[in-house]
Amino acid sequence: DGGITQSPKYLFRKEGQNVTLSCEQNLNHDAMYWYRQDPGQGLRLIYYSQIVNDFQKGDIAEGYSVSREKKESFPLTVTSAQKNPTAFYLCASSIQRPLAKNIQYFGAGTRLSVL
Amino acid sequence: EDQVTQSPEALRLQEGESSSLNCSYTVSGLRGLFWYRQDPGKGPEFLFTLYSAGEEKEKERLKATLTKKESFLHITAPKPEDSATYLCAVQASSGGSYIPTFGRGTSLIVHP
Repeated sequence: DGGITQSPKYLFRKEGQNVTLSCEQNLNHDAMYWYRQDPGQGLRLIYYSQIVNDFQKGDIAEGYSVSREKKESFPLTVTSAQKNPTAFYLCASSIQRPLAKNIQYFGAGTRLSVL
Repeated sequence: EDQVTQSPEALRLQEGESSSLNCSYTVSGLRGLFWYRQDPGKGPEFLFTLYSAGEEKEKERLKATLTKKESFLHITAPKPEDSATYLCAVQASSGGSYIPTFGRGTSLIVHP
């Protein structure tokens, strides 16, 4: 089935450690996104990519890094510079064409906690 | 700056008790307004897209409507399985980015 796969479902980070969250899609979508969701908060954009080998910072990019080497994959690294990483992380994808619906399709999320 | 405000933050209903969720927005030209449903511990699931004032979309017990300043998600005779957080997002027509702005959501609990 077509969709977005995030892994792992749960992740624990030790202090000073970098961790990488995986996001893969087989929807042939051009654009991919990473959001952070905290209790009582909306979705806050971390990074997005509209095309392979290109990505842009979102509203809360500090302490995070991404890469987009393949159309299907958009991994997110939470670096040790991110001092409050505990949150629910969501990956999404969408087509990226003028006049199109550009509906975002989301993965099941990764819950990151600090040990 | 695009803004989206959802109200109420939380809503408790009895099964069969109809109600509405509100999404107020300010955007420099609306490309589209989206409604999503999010179950606890899961990713949001797309429900509806609305593009112009006066437009309506329906799916089972849900009906979404749009004006120039807000959208409503009407829930008719809700069931416990309708319990979830409902997110609203708007996409502006200005600029080359297609990034939507999300509201904080309305948490709906339907009691049997």
